[in-house]
Amino acid sequence: EVQLLESGGGLVKPGGSLRLSCAASGFAFSDYALAWVRQAPGKGLEWVSTIAGSGRDAYYAASVKGRFTISRDNSKNTVYLLMNSLGVEDTAVFYCARDRNRVRWDGMDVWGQGTTVIVSS
Amino acid sequence: QSVLTQPPSASGTLGQRVTISCSGSDSNLGTNYVYWYQQFPGTAPKLLLFRNNQRPSGVPERFGGSKSGTSASLVIRGLQSEDEAIYYCSSWDDSLSGRGVFGGGTKLTVL
Repeated sequence: EVQLLESGGGLVKPGGSLRLSCAASGFAFSDYALAWVRQAPGKGLEWVSTIAGSGRDAYYAASVKGRFTISRDNSKNTVYLLMNSLGVEDTAVFYCARDRNRVRWDGMDVWGQGTTVIVSS
Repeated sequence: QSVLTQPPSASGTLGQRVTISCSGSDSNLGTNYVYWYQQFPGTAPKLLLFRNNQRPSGVPERFGGSKSGTSASLVIRGLQSEDEAIYYCSSWDDSLSGRGVFGGGTKLTVL
């Protein structure tokens, strides 16, 4: 079964850091770009970052560029999102999603269940 | 404010045809495909259409899409109660070194 399982969410103070993980199974991991998409409480979807299947190319939303780093370990079938300098505006459910394309953006056809990040003092 | 513009709400009766619009600009819909997602409360989004009008396996044929210039539409024919959800359009935007963009979402109510 094709599956993505996020972990690493939790409560963090403003200015703090958190690393999210997304473990994949059931497909050839390196053949697909992976993305993080977040959803603040009661709000719509916001793309955060995408990393190509090779790991060589990564893209970031302006709102997180310089603070968040996406990476992947193709030997462990896992993608990560390291989040630094977190602010209350980063409070959201973070979804990991598989892109249909090896490079980026051709429709995210597999989604994890999401992991919740709460930034609060 | 979302880069892609969708109406916040739409509604229709059972069996009706409903259209949800998505408006963008030259750097996104004008150049790249549109993608549509369906989301039910408390669950992850689901890819509904890719590359403007292509349905992934398992998506009913009554879901259709189109794109013209910087605008796109999702059409649902033969509306069913289980279609009540939030629908998001999405695309790649070539500005700012490239970025993914979503519409603000349209809450579809089946009357």
